[in-house]
Amino acid sequence: RKEVEQDPGPFNVPEGATVAFNCTYSNSASQSFFWYRQDCRKEPKLLMSVYSSGNEDGRFTAQLNRASQYISLLIRDSKLSDSATYLCVVSFSGGYNKLIFGAGTRLAVHP
Amino acid sequence: ETGVTQTPRHLVMGMTNKKSLKCEQHLGHNAMYWYKQSAKKPLELMFVYNFKEQTENNSVPSRFSPECPNSSHLFLHLHTLQPEDSALYLCASSQVNGPSDNEQYFGPGTRLTVT
Repeated sequence: RKEVEQDPGPFNVPEGATVAFNCTYSNSASQSFFWYRQDCRKEPKLLMSVYSSGNEDGRFTAQLNRASQYISLLIRDSKLSDSATYLCVVSFSGGYNKLIFGAGTRLAVHP
Repeated sequence: ETGVTQTPRHLVMGMTNKKSLKCEQHLGHNAMYWYKQSAKKPLELMFVYNFKEQTENNSVPSRFSPECPNSSHLFLHLHTLQPEDSALYLCASSQVNGPSDNEQYFGPGTRLTVT
């Protein structure tokens, strides 16, 4: 079983749509959770951290369910500029921060 | 953005060549990382330096040799690579034991092609 599993995608949605990505992780000792965004042939960029209470940043909402080891990302009112690959990431601390990346879910927003 | 820089951005090398990748972070962080990203595969952690000390070597072949002379600079020395080593090599940095303890920031990467 992969340590971090994501929806395979790709997701093709029209502008203005709401889209949700899911992610599960296998290690219950995971301590921190993130969504990164990666544009084609670019580096990953931190989109948002994910907290147990859920958190929102504009059109983006992230949720964490530790009991089910499940993370989600909701994007409302999709924009063309949201087209990218979204990476689910979990972290284990302990002197340094080991990030385990999912394979990513590709989102394509069309006019 | 110039928080984490990497050079060169593109590199083509033969299997018998020796080359080095360079990474520099301008964020005042104390940990630096090398990742490999192959096509259609998740990012793979290669090496971690925490306060200039190597704390992780994720079963990386010896043809990859990291060097961290100080907390701002990180190198990856390459020799006798194989074609399957062709990938995007990403450097990242973070502040361990800081307010954003687990957030890593990536450089633009070096796209390496081994011929």
